[in-house]
Amino acid sequence: EVHLVESGGVVVQPGGSLRLSCAGSGFTFDDYAMYWVRQVPGKGLEWLSYITWDGSTTFYGDSVKGRFTVSRDNSKNSLYLQMHSLRLEDTGLYYCAKDISVDTAMVLDSWGQGTLVTVSS
Amino acid sequence: EIVLTQSPGTLSLSPGERATLSCRASQTIHSSYLAWFQQKPGQPPRLLIYAASSRPTGIPDRFSGSGSGTDFTLTISRLESEDFAVYYCQQYHNFSITFGQGTRLDIK
Repeated sequence: EVHLVESGGVVVQPGGSLRLSCAGSGFTFDDYAMYWVRQVPGKGLEWLSYITWDGSTTFYGDSVKGRFTVSRDNSKNSLYLQMHSLRLEDTGLYYCAKDISVDTAMVLDSWGQGTLVTVSS
Repeated sequence: EIVLTQSPGTLSLSPGERATLSCRASQTIHSSYLAWFQQKPGQPPRLLIYAASSRPTGIPDRFSGSGSGTDFTLTISRLESEDFAVYYCQQYHNFSITFGQGTRLDIK
């Protein structure tokens, strides 16, 4: 069974930095592209980033481009999101998700439970 | 960026009824890149439909997807109590992924 567990969410001040992690198990981690998505509690979903299976290619949503960096360590079955210059509007529940296919279908088929980031002074 | 507009915002129906949820894109998208998710309170989204009309393993066949171009539909043929939730459509185009704002399906 696929299992994704996010961690690293805390309360951080505006302008601060934070790194989130996502540990994958139950599947061959380095076969799949991965994603980060966030959700303000009670609101909709916002895609943040995408990374290929080998980390060679990344895409970002406009709201985080230049501030957030996605990376992965396949030897540790782990995905990361490095966040800088955090803003109040970055507050939310951050999910990692895996692609449905080793051929990368841009379909997010399994999600973790999320880790909560709160940006507040 | 492609904007997805879902309608209605809220749909109130009774168990056993048929639900039809709409997702309209601001420009044409490839059917391979249109998906639907279900989300219940306190849970992450669950993939229901991908490539506009394909169901992942384990998704009941009362859920079906259709559409092409800019107009897509999620149909739940006979609502069961566990189907009352929020539904999102999602698309990928030109190195960008966007979600619709969601349709809340309430028990009438």
